[in-house]
Amino acid sequence: TQLLEQSPQFLSIQEGENLTVYCNSSSVFSSLQWYRQEPGEGPVLLVTVVTGGEVKKLKRLTFQFGDARKDSSLHITAAQPGDTGLYLCAGLNFGNEKLTFGTGTRLTIIP
Amino acid sequence: NAGVTQTPKFQVLKTGQSMTLQCAQDMNHEYMSWYRQDPGMGLRLIHYSVGAGITDQGEVPNGYNVSRSTTEDFPLRLLSAAPSQTSVYFCASSYYGRRNTEAFFGQGTRLTVV
Repeated sequence: TQLLEQSPQFLSIQEGENLTVYCNSSSVFSSLQWYRQEPGEGPVLLVTVVTGGEVKKLKRLTFQFGDARKDSSLHITAAQPGDTGLYLCAGLNFGNEKLTFGTGTRLTIIP
Repeated sequence: NAGVTQTPKFQVLKTGQSMTLQCAQDMNHEYMSWYRQDPGMGLRLIHYSVGAGITDQGEVPNGYNVSRSTTEDFPLRLLSAAPSQTSVYFCASSYYGRRNTEAFFGQGTRLTVV
């Protein structure tokens, strides 16, 4: 079983602060995705990174794929209460294209 | 814009009962999958399918059956419910064979087995 470990598992910070969430694995993935999930809903895709070393920005969110395609990070600048939610990374496997999800980071932004 | 539709949204079963969770998508996606979500464990893959007539096991398949007779539908059957199957279940669909594919999820089924 391929594992994707996310850290931290829980994070509670003040509005306006910066934060980074990490997603690590010993396996190499075809691509890496980040999803956000609200209570009572399914996950929704934020971004996909495909190339080792790739950096993508989505407004105040910056996503990076590790050079070796085994890890990724999500950095949020000037966090806002609307960023609150469960963040999940997911690695797409070569060949069978199964999507392996990380353990999740529950983020709470305090106004 | 229906996307992925799951039914029911909530279900309570007694130990030993069987039931089917329904999943339908209207995006003509080849790839469909079932996950369960438990606290602190992210989403774990139960079964998946790359097209009609083709299914395969994921990480945690025991106690569950699937079939894929059409592109649109991918039902999940619990054969004899156990308390360990209490969880939130999500169905997802996506295009197959693309590294930048996006998985679309249903709203989930919250299942309690007593």
